[in-house]
Amino acid sequence: DIQMTQSPSSLSASVGDRVTITCRASQGIGNYLSWLQQKPGKAPKALIYGASNLQSGVPSKFSGSGSGTDFTLTISGLQPEDFAIYYCLQYNSYPRTFGQGTKVEIK
Amino acid sequence: EVQLVESGGGLVQPGGSLRLSCAASGFTFSDSWMDWVRRAPGKGLEWVANIKPDGSEKSYVDSVKGRFTISRDNAKNSLYLQMTSLRAEDMAVYYCTRTLDDWGQGTLVTVSS
Repeated sequence: DIQMTQSPSSLSASVGDRVTITCRASQGIGNYLSWLQQKPGKAPKALIYGASNLQSGVPSKFSGSGSGTDFTLTISGLQPEDFAIYYCLQYNSYPRTFGQGTKVEIK
Repeated sequence: EVQLVESGGGLVQPGGSLRLSCAASGFTFSDSWMDWVRRAPGKGLEWVANIKPDGSEKSYVDSVKGRFTISRDNAKNSLYLQMTSLRAEDMAVYYCTRTLDDWGQGTLVTVSS
């Protein structure tokens, strides 16, 4: 199975900050990577697919990059509604696997 | 608008069975891969299974193989997850998803005696 390792596991940031979350795959996955956001008590929401493509309706303050084994999610101009848990997900092979999640908290 | 509505969750004893359903609307269900994903209390997301649009191919995470069965009824725009031999570690919120892009609100499965 492909292991997805996210870092950091949690971070504290202020409104307006720019934050970056990284995800490393245990083997190459091309660009078959998604990023999702989950708020407490809510369903996950897909933000990015194909490593760098925004899902419809997702604001451009979210951006993704990378290919192969190393990927990043960047959130520019953090807003109160962005405080959540973020997951990466590989869909290159079975079983699909998620990173352990990065909790973005208010400083 | 894509809508995915799960049902069928509840309290079940260890070793018991449960069938989850997902009613889909707002897209062409019969053209879409569908997945089940779960989140156990205090844990992260875990992919469980998926099924090809015509139902001819199914994949599972190892921990549920032989116990869970994913299926679909394209005439009813519905996805199912038959769960048997349930264990404490299966307790989670189960989400129905369309290609891991669109997600339902989830249904809670509690496994406890």
